[in-house]
Amino acid sequence: DVKVTQSSRYLVKRTGEKVFLECVQDMDHENMFWYRQDPGLGLRLIYFSYDVKMKEKGDIPEGYSVSREKKERFSLILESASTNQTSMYLCASRTSGYEQYFGPGTRLTVT
Amino acid sequence: KNQVEQSPQSLIILEGKNCTLQCNYTVSPFSNLRWYKQDTGRGPVSLTIMTFSENTKSNGRYTATLDADTKQSSLHITASQLSDSASYICVVTRLSGAGSYQLTFGKGTKLSVIP
Repeated sequence: DVKVTQSSRYLVKRTGEKVFLECVQDMDHENMFWYRQDPGLGLRLIYFSYDVKMKEKGDIPEGYSVSREKKERFSLILESASTNQTSMYLCASRTSGYEQYFGPGTRLTVT
Repeated sequence: KNQVEQSPQSLIILEGKNCTLQCNYTVSPFSNLRWYKQDTGRGPVSLTIMTFSENTKSNGRYTATLDADTKQSSLHITASQLSDSASYICVVTRLSGAGSYQLTFGKGTKLSVIP
């Protein structure tokens, strides 16, 4: 069974704090993704990575950065958290084929 | 523009009844279409994946249909259960340059099954 895990289910941070969201997958997938999900907007792609040390901007990369030092781990970084980054963050991984597997999500609240 | 539209936005049905969710897309070139189920506060879980040549695919009480000519898909849920209460997300994949895939997500249909 493919497993995608995320470091926290719930996170509360203050405005201006640096936030790290970690994602780990155990199936040797090349591709990893970070999305945010907001009511009425659906899932929106923030960043993705096709290989170690490789990253590509998605549709809404502003205010975020990522790191992929190892194949199994993909981190999302909020350099200076803002209240409009309060959201559900979902990590996903995929082989070169069809199936994309999602993690359980991290609900981040920035106060 | 590549888009995926789902309807209805929300739906309430009685336990035991059937329902059908709709997905219309303009994504091109089409590679595959998936339906995901997302429980509240959880990540999406895949229900079905359909390629261009597949018209119908079942997964237990879930049956997905695809009409690639009209670019429409539906997800039919038979004999609904309380545990079917969730958001159902339609995702269409297109093959973009250099053999990579790009996913376009619908905004989901929120289904509530009540006793």
